[in-house]
Amino acid sequence: GQNIDQPTEMTATEGAIVQINCTYQTSGFNGLFWYQQHAGEAPTFLSYNVLDGLEEKGRFSSFLSRSKGYSYLLLKELQMKDSASYLCAVRPGFNDYKLSFGAGTTVTVRA
Amino acid sequence: EAGVTQFPSHSVIEKGQTVTLRCDPISGHDNLYWYRRVMGKEIKFLLHFVKESKQDESGMPNNRFLAERTGGTYSTLKVQPAELEDSGVYFCASSQEPTRAGWSDIQYFGAGTRLSVL
Repeated sequence: GQNIDQPTEMTATEGAIVQINCTYQTSGFNGLFWYQQHAGEAPTFLSYNVLDGLEEKGRFSSFLSRSKGYSYLLLKELQMKDSASYLCAVRPGFNDYKLSFGAGTTVTVRA
Repeated sequence: EAGVTQFPSHSVIEKGQTVTLRCDPISGHDNLYWYRRVMGKEIKFLLHFVKESKQDESGMPNNRFLAERTGGTYSTLKVQPAELEDSGVYFCASSQEPTRAGWSDIQYFGAGTRLSVL
C-alpha cells in the first residue's frame, strides 16, 4: 500500500513563512505533486517535483528528497487567501497515472 | 478554457436509491480519473479512463459502482443501490496524454460532487 503523511493543521501569521512537510512510503515513485484546496472548491495544482531539489514558483517553493521519501511545500509572505488545505500526492509509477494522496494539511493564516 | 466540471454539486439520496454523477473533462484531455474522499479520510483513487477505455479500475470499491465514458468525452459514475458508506465527495480529474519529454501529467480537478446517503 501507499503511506503518505503530512501534519493535520498549521497556523501562521500574515506575512510569515510556513513549511508543510510530507513523508511518503510508496510502492514506487514517479513524481510528487502539491495541490491547494479551498473549502468547497476544486484542488488546484501548485507544484510538481520528480528530481531532488527545490522548485520555486513565486511565493511557493517545493522541495524533494527521494532518498529520504520527503518533500516540503514552503509558503512565503503569507496572505489571508492562503488559508486552505494543502494536499501532498505521489504518482507511484511511470505507467501508473493514479495519485495517492495524504490527508491534507489545513493552514490557517491569522492577521 | 473551461476547467473540469462536475454535476450535480450536491446530491442527497436515501439508502437503496440510484445516483448518477457526471464529469466533463477539459477539452482534449484523453485521461479522466475518478477519486473519492470520505469524511476525515484522504482522497482515494477509484478509476482511470484513457479515452473510452478503462485503464485502471483497481480503486472501485464494489460492483455497485459503474463508470462509463462513452465516446471518450464526458464520464458518468453510477452508484446502484447506494449505501450509507458511499457518502463523501466524488472528484473527477483530467490530464493530457504524454506528448513530449518532461511530461508531468498534471491532473486538473473539478470541484466535486458531495453525495449524502441517508
